Amino acid sequence: GQSLEQPSEVTAVEGAIVQINCTYQTSGFYGLSWYQQHDGGAPTFLSYNALDGLEETGRFSSFLSRSDSYGYLLLQELQMKDSASYFCAVRGDSNYQLIWGAGTKLIIKP
Amino acid sequence: DTGVSQDPRHKITKRGQNVTFRCDPISEHNRLYWYRQTLGQGPEFLTYFQNEAQLEKSRLLSDRFSAERPKGSFSTLEIQRTEQGDSAMYLCASSLDPGVYEQYFGPGTRLTVT
Repeated sequence: GQSLEQPSEVTAVEGAIVQINCTYQTSGFYGLSWYQQHDGGAPTFLSYNALDGLEETGRFSSFLSRSDSYGYLLLQELQMKDSASYFCAVRGDSNYQLIWGAGTKLIIKP
Repeated sequence: DTGVSQDPRHKITKRGQNVTFRCDPISEHNRLYWYRQTLGQGPEFLTYFQNEAQLEKSRLLSDRFSAERPKGSFSTLEIQRTEQGDSAMYLCASSLDPGVYEQYFGPGTRLTVT
């Protein structure tokens, strides 16, 4: 089976940098996705890593280490609008389902 | 560019009643997923359609749940004999082949069973 672990909550200051970690256990690994979800909103795709290393998209970057079964999402120049929950997800036993972590609530203080 | 839409956005029903939700995916997306999400948790996979074929259904999904995607366009999710434990947000997502990793979600239907 698959399982993912993320911190339940992270607090940071506006303008700062924050890292949200995700460790996973899977029977077969094919990649790690990250999603953002604002309160009351729908999940929004942020990034996908299939290979080791850092992928950068604007203020957001995502890192993967397959040997450590570990990834993280890095958010730079934090803005109040980045306050949301962030989820990591991996493919399940089939090619058709994603298994999601419980999410990390990011709280940003002015 | 039209995103994924869901209807209704909110549904309050009494225990034992049947409810049906609709999802309209992004028009060119052939993959469609249904999820359930409760407060403080990530989305939980329910079922998957590729075009009109239902290819996967969660083993945890009760027989009271059924889904269809006639003609490979919109999809419906029906819950029969609702229970209080069915109260949750029901999310629909769509994607293009081959990707399961990049999904586009609708706003969800919030179900409250009283």
